[in-house]
Amino acid sequence: DAGVIQSPRHEVTEMGQEVTLRCKPISGHNSLFWYRQTMMRGLELLIYFNNNVPIDDSGMPEDRFSAKMPNASFSTLKIQPSEPRDSAVYFCASSLGDGSGNTIYFGEGSWLTVV
Amino acid sequence: SQKIEQNSEALNIQEGKTATLTCNYTNYSPAYLQWYRQDPGRGPVFLLLIRENEKEKRKERLKVTFDTTLKQSLFHITASQPADSATYLCALVNAGNMLTFGGGTRLMVKP
Repeated sequence: DAGVIQSPRHEVTEMGQEVTLRCKPISGHNSLFWYRQTMMRGLELLIYFNNNVPIDDSGMPEDRFSAKMPNASFSTLKIQPSEPRDSAVYFCASSLGDGSGNTIYFGEGSWLTVV
Repeated sequence: SQKIEQNSEALNIQEGKTATLTCNYTNYSPAYLQWYRQDPGRGPVFLLLIRENEKEKRKERLKVTFDTTLKQSLFHITASQPADSATYLCALVNAGNMLTFGGGTRLMVKP
């Protein structure tokens, strides 16, 4: 199994630009998560999808952030416009079941720097 | 509010010794707790899950305990090796039924 695949691995962008992060979950997994990791705040859950439907987006910091899952094998996290404080590692993860405490499989992360 | 606390200071130990990492939580009533390992530049990787009715769980050199009275889990690595050096994260299901993570503890095993 290829695991959770994220792209890009690294992105440097200027403030105000749109950023799109992409994720392909593990085949057969029906729960998908977007996390953000920073030194200050650790690993934070941004949004959770189950069967392609957003279930909990309470962790999305503000309206500049949006996430979609058009099908079972693809999800995007978009930041528009980006700000320097959005600089972080963004992880996509997937699991089987309804996501409630099941083992989560993480991708390698997308390292975002906004200058 | 719900909190998961792990020692933010790095734990430095000598190769061959047992490393013990602590995870304390407040305002949770978790049915189970998970431990993950994270290497620099990589995503977290699942290690162990322990249920509330399990006091202890082992996997090779790893041992996890779960004390729901103390609201604490201990994570032990016996006969530690330099390759065990990493950040270790504990995770609990929160009130919204989502897995949330502690801040992690960095372990450094010196040869």
